[in-house]
Amino acid sequence: EIVLTQSPATLSLSPGERATLSCRASQSISTYLGWYQQKPGQAPRLLIYDASDRATGIPARFSGSGSGTDFTLTISSLEPEDSAVYYCQQRSNWITFGQGTRLEIK
Amino acid sequence: QVHVVESGGGLVKPGGSLRLSCAASGFSFSDYFMAWIRQAPGKGLECIAYVSGTSILKTYADSVKGRFTISRDNSKNLVFLQMDRLTAEDTATYYCARDLKQWVIGTFFDNWGQGTRVTVSS
Repeated sequence: EIVLTQSPATLSLSPGERATLSCRASQSISTYLGWYQQKPGQAPRLLIYDASDRATGIPARFSGSGSGTDFTLTISSLEPEDSAVYYCQQRSNWITFGQGTRLEIK
Repeated sequence: QVHVVESGGGLVKPGGSLRLSCAASGFSFSDYFMAWIRQAPGKGLECIAYVSGTSILKTYADSVKGRFTISRDNSKNLVFLQMDRLTAEDTATYYCARDLKQWVIGTFFDNWGQGTRVTVSS
């Protein structure tokens, strides 16, 4: 099973700042990685797929990069509504998710 | 507009069974893989089963293999999850989700239901 490790576990930033979230795979997964945002009491929402493609309706301030084992989700200028837990997901071998990064907006 | 709605959750005793349903609308249902993904309280996400548009391909996570069965009825735009021999570790919110791309296996999930809660307890 491919294990995804996300860091940091928690991130606390102010509006307008840049957020950088990391996801590392236990083996190479090419660009078969996506990112989701989940707010309390809601289902996850797909943000990024295939490492860097934005899903429909996702604001341009969300971007993804990486390949192989190291991936990054960047939120260029934080808005208060970006407060959520962010998960990465791989589809290279079955489907697994990272443990999540909690992003708090001060 | 794509819409996915789960139902059928509830409280069940260990060793018992439950059948979840997922009603989908707003897209060509039979063209898409559908998946069940669960989330234990306060925990992360686990994809437990998915089914191809024609039901030819069904795949399960090891944690549920042999106990859970996924199926679909394309005439009614429904997906089901039959859960047998339930244990406390199956307590979770169960989400039904649509695959991002038509006809392609296991990619990413762009439309989710609101989830249905399953609690396994005596």
